[in-house]
Amino acid sequence: SQKIEQNSEALNIQEGKTATLTCNYTNYSPAYLQWYRQDPGRGPVFLLLIRENEKEKRKERLKVTFDTTLKQSLFHITASQPADSATYLCALDAIKAAGNKLTFGGGTRVLVKP
Amino acid sequence: DAGVIQSPRHEVTEMGQEVTLRCKPISGHDYLFWYRQTMMRGLELLIYFNNNVPIDDSGMPEDRFSAKMPNASFSTLKIQPSEPRDSAVYFCASSPGPNTEAFFGQGTRLTVV
Repeated sequence: SQKIEQNSEALNIQEGKTATLTCNYTNYSPAYLQWYRQDPGRGPVFLLLIRENEKEKRKERLKVTFDTTLKQSLFHITASQPADSATYLCALDAIKAAGNKLTFGGGTRVLVKP
Repeated sequence: DAGVIQSPRHEVTEMGQEVTLRCKPISGHDYLFWYRQTMMRGLELLIYFNNNVPIDDSGMPEDRFSAKMPNASFSTLKIQPSEPRDSAVYFCASSPGPNTEAFFGQGTRLTVV
């Protein structure tokens, strides 16, 4: 069956450290993978998109890697701050080259302690 | 642009009643998505449209759920009759094209009692 798995346990991290989140998928062949941030009571907000032919993407303190052999994406928040505390969701196109069927993983909650 | 606009923000209804959720996507966006989010199941894709045409409704849980997009600036998700297990936050999102980011609305929190 198809799965998009993220660590359901919350990630507690000290301010200033690097948070690393994992997104693993099974029985998908995505053309791209996206990461979103969701705060309580709000809709998800787009952060980064990485395509299947890209190994790494950066945006400010965020870095995403994409390994289509391992079927895995890693999401890093460097020099983490309490304001980074939120739930982070990965998403991919469930049917390659067939439009835009954006399907999400369950999300990982990150808590950055001062 | 004001972003994706959903209404109402909160809806409480009695079991058996019809519920209609509304969405105004960002102007110029070709794709519109309806998602449902619960603690147990996370963010589930219910249906998505491209240029007002439903492309994939395989996530719609039952015949009680229906979605329409009569024009590029408006979509509805209807539940008839509603049941307590439909209680969730329903999100609408739009995106400008394939393989691009999605912009989410604030969501509608539905409670069916």
